[in-house]
Amino acid sequence: QVQLVESGGGVVQPGRSLRLSCAASGFIFSSYVMHWVRQAPGKGLEWVSVISDDGGNKYYGDSVKGRFTVSRDNSKNILYLQMNGLRPEDTAIYYCVWGLGHWGQGTLVTVSS
Amino acid sequence: QAVVTQEPSLTVSPGGTVTLTCGSSTGAVTSDHYPYWFQQKPGQAPRTLIYDTSKKYSRTPARFSGSLLGGKAALTLSGAQPEDEADYYCLLSYDDTRPWVFGGGTKLTVL
Repeated sequence: QVQLVESGGGVVQPGRSLRLSCAASGFIFSSYVMHWVRQAPGKGLEWVSVISDDGGNKYYGDSVKGRFTVSRDNSKNILYLQMNGLRPEDTAIYYCVWGLGHWGQGTLVTVSS
Repeated sequence: QAVVTQEPSLTVSPGGTVTLTCGSSTGAVTSDHYPYWFQQKPGQAPRTLIYDTSKKYSRTPARFSGSLLGGKAALTLSGAQPEDEADYYCLLSYDDTRPWVFGGGTKLTVL
């Protein structure tokens, strides 16, 4: 069955960087668009980024544009989110989502000094 | 940036019917926004109920349906069950430079 397992979350100081990973299995990873969605504690969902199946097209939400970079390795079935210049307001659970239909369990990122 | 609006909260009686709506600050919501609906229960990851306005996943309970209603996307729950108490979010697609925007969510109480 479909599995999406996020990793790489943790506590990081403001201004630092972090890279999230999402290991995918149970479907043909290289054939599908992948998204990142986040949720701050006690808040709603916020769309973060999307990457096309071949990695050639990438789009970002306004709040992360210029700081976050999405990428993928189709040979390893892994989705990445490189997060630079982290801010306290980036504190959230980050979800990897296959085609907006299947969600991982998320990984928590806490930005705090 | 476009703003997607949802009712902050709604209450439905067990067995009753309720419609949640999803509007856009840019105008009428159409099928070109490819509306999605998600359900999230406390402490759980969201799960997708509806895509492309009205299409269901195999695991989506039959009592949920999606549509366009009065210039908005709509999620109708017919025959509410206690386990349907959750937060519901809609998601709309816009232009290529900023493809997707979530609504603020509706907290549905079954009481």
